[in-house]
Amino acid sequence: QKEVEQDPGPLSVPEGAIVSLNCTYSNSAFQYFMWYRQYSRKGPELLMYTYSSGNKEDGRFTAQVDKSSKYISLFIRDSQPSDSATYLCAMSERNTGNQFYFGTGTSLTVIP
Amino acid sequence: ETGVTQTPRHLVMGMTNKKSLKCEQHLGHNAMYWYKQSAKKPLELMFVYNFKEQTENNSVPSRFSPECPNSSHLFLHLHTLQPEDSALYLCASSPLRGGTGKGETQYFGPGTRLLVL
Repeated sequence: QKEVEQDPGPLSVPEGAIVSLNCTYSNSAFQYFMWYRQYSRKGPELLMYTYSSGNKEDGRFTAQVDKSSKYISLFIRDSQPSDSATYLCAMSERNTGNQFYFGTGTSLTVIP
Repeated sequence: ETGVTQTPRHLVMGMTNKKSLKCEQHLGHNAMYWYKQSAKKPLELMFVYNFKEQTENNSVPSRFSPECPNSSHLFLHLHTLQPEDSALYLCASSPLRGGTGKGETQYFGPGTRLLVL
């Protein structure tokens, strides 16, 4: 079983839609949860960062962590064509070195 | 320059060539990483350096040789590569562990797209 599971998509939505992206994981020791956005032919860009459980909001983006279900989500409100990218989830434990575990990424296209 | 920079951005090499990838971070971080990104696969961690000391080597073939002369610079030396090594090679940096601040995550460079013929 992979450490982190993420549906690769592709996901295609109309402009203005609410987008929900999700990852599940198996390691209950994960404490740090991140979402990265990666445009074509670019490196991943940190979008959201959450420590432990709960919600975090930043503009049109909301990150949710449900540790009891080992499930994290990224919501994008009022999606824009500029949101078209691949979204990677990542997570790590607290005190075990520098190992970060990534999902495969979900490809999102927002259609004008 | 800000953030994490990588050169070259694109590289085409034959299987008998020797080349090097360079990464530089301007964030004052103490940990640096090399990742390989292939289509439809999760990022594969290759090497980790903390304070210039290598702490992780995830069973990477010896045809990839990392070098970290200081906390700001990281190199990946390549020799006798195979076509299956063609991928996007990403460098990242982060502060070392401690606390719960945002700085504990990684910041990536733009990557070097490598094609091995």
